Amino acid sequence: ETGVTQSPTHLIKTRGQQVTLRCSSQSGHNTVSWYQQALGQGPQFIFQYYREEENGRGNFPPRFSGLQFPNYSSELNVNALELDDSALYLCASSPDRAQPQHFGDGTRLSIL
Amino acid sequence: GQNIDQPTEMTATEGAIVQINCTYQTSGFNGLFWYQQHAGEAPTFLSYNVLDGLEEKGRFSSFLSRSKGYSYLLLKELQMKDSASYLCAVRVNTGFQKLVFGTGTRLLVSP
Repeated sequence: ETGVTQSPTHLIKTRGQQVTLRCSSQSGHNTVSWYQQALGQGPQFIFQYYREEENGRGNFPPRFSGLQFPNYSSELNVNALELDDSALYLCASSPDRAQPQHFGDGTRLSIL
Repeated sequence: GQNIDQPTEMTATEGAIVQINCTYQTSGFNGLFWYQQHAGEAPTFLSYNVLDGLEEKGRFSSFLSRSKGYSYLLLKELQMKDSASYLCAVRVNTGFQKLVFGTGTRLLVSP
């Protein structure tokens, strides 16, 4: 039990659509990071939020965007979905940037 | 660039000991993590090393040598439930902190 919950568990979309994935962290977890994990690969860092501001971004295009809210929840938004966006999307949080991150169960996104 | 290497697959027998190696070339090193990931599930945190040496946690131990860019995860008294992927991840600080993952080592434990 990591205290990090994600919704939905699974999602199917078609190319060109938009999607919002949600994550709820434990109270006090000010840092949240999002990762994309393609099949057979390790997770790839998308971006990180700290106290509701983006403070770091990986090699993902601007159509990947996010938000973090005061209640320790966050969102990952992806516009203009492409087939290659099919992956497991993971949210990870920690009380501060020095602590190990703990992952939610992930959202498996399939693009048809 | 950031590069992390670990073997793709390993096999071992129930009750045995297995060592999974990880080598890394990164800038801004700020700790090394090991995660376990069962098929279709999210990674779960196993261990964390920031200083050189061995960290022991029950059946699992992790070792780090920063000068060699090397770590290993040691699993003792293997159980069938240990069949999973094991992810080596380096936390790097490049103005902000993020985890850089290897592709994972798939461990198959047989009876």
